[in-house]
Amino acid sequence: DAGVIQSPRHEVTEMGQEVTLRCKPISGHDYLFWYRQTMMRGLELLIYFNNNVPIDDSGMPEDRFSAKMPNASFSTLKIQPSEPRDSAVYFCASSLLVGGSYEQYFGPGTRLTVT
Amino acid sequence: AQSVAQPEDQVNVAEGNPLTVKCTYSVSGNPYLFWYVQYPNRGLQFLLKYITGDNLVKGSYGFEAEFNKSQTSFHLKKPSALVSDSALYFCAVRALSGGSYIPTFGRGTSLIVHP
Repeated sequence: DAGVIQSPRHEVTEMGQEVTLRCKPISGHDYLFWYRQTMMRGLELLIYFNNNVPIDDSGMPEDRFSAKMPNASFSTLKIQPSEPRDSAVYFCASSLLVGGSYEQYFGPGTRLTVT
Repeated sequence: AQSVAQPEDQVNVAEGNPLTVKCTYSVSGNPYLFWYVQYPNRGLQFLLKYITGDNLVKGSYGFEAEFNKSQTSFHLKKPSALVSDSALYFCAVRALSGGSYIPTFGRGTSLIVHP
């Protein structure tokens, strides 16, 4: 398996623009997670899905952030409108928690810079 | 609620010397415990886990960790450090049952191995 795939790897955008981050989890995994990493706040869980259904989005900073998982092999994290304080590295991770080995597999991340 | 503490932001060690990266946790009931490593500009990578059984767990790249239930600790160790071990290390915990299936991560410890 190719592992968790994220695109784009780098995104530079201007304040106010819409940003869409994409993730393809490992085939067969039943959980998908979106994290944000910054120097100040460390690794933050934004939202997670179980079998394509959003379970907990309490970590999403505000209504400007939204996430979808239309099928088992694809998820998006959208920021609209983007702000400079959204600059961070965004990671997608997947896991097989039920009857599986429980550890998470992370993608390479998307480094977002909002100017 | 579950939590993880990594009391050291940074650990410095000379190449060839043993290293320890500390982790303590709090969780209801029995824990699942994990260590991840993050190299620069990469996603987190699973190193090892404790589920049940032997308190000494061996993982990738010569790392091991010791589960100590009485001290609620899960310290990461390696007998002889390499310069290439320099990275950011994260400890994570989740409940074995009756709690959140979602792991909680520590803030991370930066390991610097000097030649």
